[in-house]
Amino acid sequence: QKEVEQDPGPLSVPEGAIVSLNCTYSNSAFQYFMWYRQYSRKGPELLMYTYSSGNKEDGRFTAQVDKSSKYISLFIRDSQPSDSATYLCAMSADTDKLIFGTGTRLQVFP
Amino acid sequence: NAGVTQTPKFRVLKTGQSMTLLCAQDMNHEYMYWYRQDPGMGLRLIHYSVGEGTTAKGEVPDGYNVSRLKKQNFLLGLESAAPSQTSVYFCASSNELAGVFDEQFFGPGTRLTVL
Repeated sequence: QKEVEQDPGPLSVPEGAIVSLNCTYSNSAFQYFMWYRQYSRKGPELLMYTYSSGNKEDGRFTAQVDKSSKYISLFIRDSQPSDSATYLCAMSADTDKLIFGTGTRLQVFP
Repeated sequence: NAGVTQTPKFRVLKTGQSMTLLCAQDMNHEYMYWYRQDPGMGLRLIHYSVGEGTTAKGEVPDGYNVSRLKKQNFLLGLESAAPSQTSVYFCASSNELAGVFDEQFFGPGTRLTVL
């Protein structure tokens, strides 16, 4: 069993939809949780970062962490075609090595 | 600032050939990483470095070697390439202080095919 599980998609939604992306994990020592966005043929870039449990909001993006269920989510409101990318969850027990999910490919069509 | 750059962008090798991938960062970061990205496997850490002159093994180090002779450069070597090493390789860097999270900045990737 992988330490981090993520549905690879693809997920296809119309413009303006609310998108929910999720990851589950098995290592209870994880305390740093990240979402990276990766456009086609580009390197990943950090989108959201959360420490421990709770919610964090940044514009149209909300990250949620539920450590009791070992479950993290990324919500995108009012999705745009420019949000079409692969979204990678990542997590860490300390501050150096990250464990990544496989990524979910999202397509937002006009 | 260029951020993290990788050389080359693409490469095709024959089985048994060797090559070196170069990563350079101009952000004065202490930590540098090499990942590979394969379909269905996500990003997996190959080797990393916590400072000039240091290297450490990651999740999938076999078949690779690394060197960090200068703080700004991190080299990934394949001594005898195998088809299983066909992948997209990403370099990243960060400036993590003890107990404080800092973002990993990624390069644009190197697409390697081993025939």
